[in-house]
Amino acid sequence: LAKTTQPISMDSYEGQEVNITCSHNNIATNDYITWYQQFPSQGPRFIIQGYKTKVTNEVASLFIPADRKSSTLSLPRVSLSDTAVYYCLVGELAGRRALTFGSGTRLQVQP
Amino acid sequence: GAGVSQTPSNKVTEKGKYVELRCDPISGHTALYWYRQSLGQGPEFLIYFQGTGAADDSGLPNDRFFAVRPEGSVSTLKIQRTERGDSAVYLCASSFTGNTNTGELFFGEGSRLTVL
Repeated sequence: LAKTTQPISMDSYEGQEVNITCSHNNIATNDYITWYQQFPSQGPRFIIQGYKTKVTNEVASLFIPADRKSSTLSLPRVSLSDTAVYYCLVGELAGRRALTFGSGTRLQVQP
Repeated sequence: GAGVSQTPSNKVTEKGKYVELRCDPISGHTALYWYRQSLGQGPEFLIYFQGTGAADDSGLPNDRFFAVRPEGSVSTLKIQRTERGDSAVYLCASSFTGNTNTGELFFGEGSRLTVL
């Protein structure tokens, strides 16, 4: 399973754009990159997933360079409610094999 | 229900006791995962079911931990002779594995286990 490395924590202010980068140097051909968000006392929640280039949804954007050895989750104009832990996972699509979470990035948004 | 349901939400037990934690996945989801999460840590993989069979149980820490999914739906995580180090939140997730699989894991709220 591809190992991921993310910053332990980040701080931001409301209204700013936040970019969280994840390194995954040994990503395999069949692996996708998936990001989850977790609030205290809740299970993780799917945010976005991609294989290459750029993916955008109503919540975030995911940028993946051509070599796929890293990815960047971009949260536009964060609010206090975006304070959470963000996990980067690399592996085959869910349901096809075990998926491993790392330690995640703790994002603190200040007013 | 519409989401993954886990019971009990909270369980306090004494060291040495036996515990069962239940997970009811989203209807139609063939894949089911168990994770364990300690305070300040990311979820730690325990076991993954595809249908009724355990496709990967490499994350189970020792033989005190066992999980079943006899009919390919509800799963039970069983912990024998509990130890204080077993205290954690146990998370269950399910996923659809058909041709339109989006790769998303749906998590329950977790079962918080405290071993005194």
